[in-house]
Amino acid sequence: GQNIDQPTEMTATEGAIVQINCTYQTSGFNGLFWYQQHAGEAPTFLSYNVLDGLEEKGRFSSFLSRSKGYSYLLLKELQMKDSASYLCAVRDWNGKSNYQLIWGAGTKLIIKP
Amino acid sequence: GAVVSQHPSWVICKSGTSVKIECRSLDFQATTMFWYRQFPKQSLMLMATSNEGSKATYEQGVEKDKFLINHASLTLSTLTVTSAHPEDSSFYICSAREGGYQETQYFGPGTRLLVL
Repeated sequence: GQNIDQPTEMTATEGAIVQINCTYQTSGFNGLFWYQQHAGEAPTFLSYNVLDGLEEKGRFSSFLSRSKGYSYLLLKELQMKDSASYLCAVRDWNGKSNYQLIWGAGTKLIIKP
Repeated sequence: GAVVSQHPSWVICKSGTSVKIECRSLDFQATTMFWYRQFPKQSLMLMATSNEGSKATYEQGVEKDKFLINHASLTLSTLTVTSAHPEDSSFYICSAREGGYQETQYFGPGTRLLVL
């Protein structure tokens, strides 16, 4: 079956580094996305990984290991505005004629001063 | 970056009425648009996938006769909640896929529906 796991909630300190993990089990993996969602708002795209390794984009980096079914989102120099939910989503072949995006439940990140 | 708009952002209606929500891709052509629903403190739930010019594909448990989706052009998709009831009150979010290798989905700002 298809399954995506990520921690429900994490707490970190302003200026620090935090790593949010995501593990997945899918049958037709074709890429992994990370999205940020502030409370009451729609998600915004952060990163996309389809090959193994680390993708760096400013303060945010995303890592993928396809053999382990594992990804993480790394946030550096945390700011208060980074308090949000972070959603891991896997693009999966649905066995018919299309890809579908399977969503994790999201990790609520709380930043403390 | 790609921009997706939704209208209206807020709607309050009486039980039994129908509500239409528009989703537009402003600066790109979206061959595929997605409709999601999100209840408070819960994750996104995909309702349906719509491809321009064809019928929408609904997820299991989503009533296609209640949630009518039309994707008449490459920049516009509409979701109509027919005969809305209080349990339909939710945050409805659309996203549009730009296409190409990455196939990133860009989200609209969402529409809050409150059915009295």
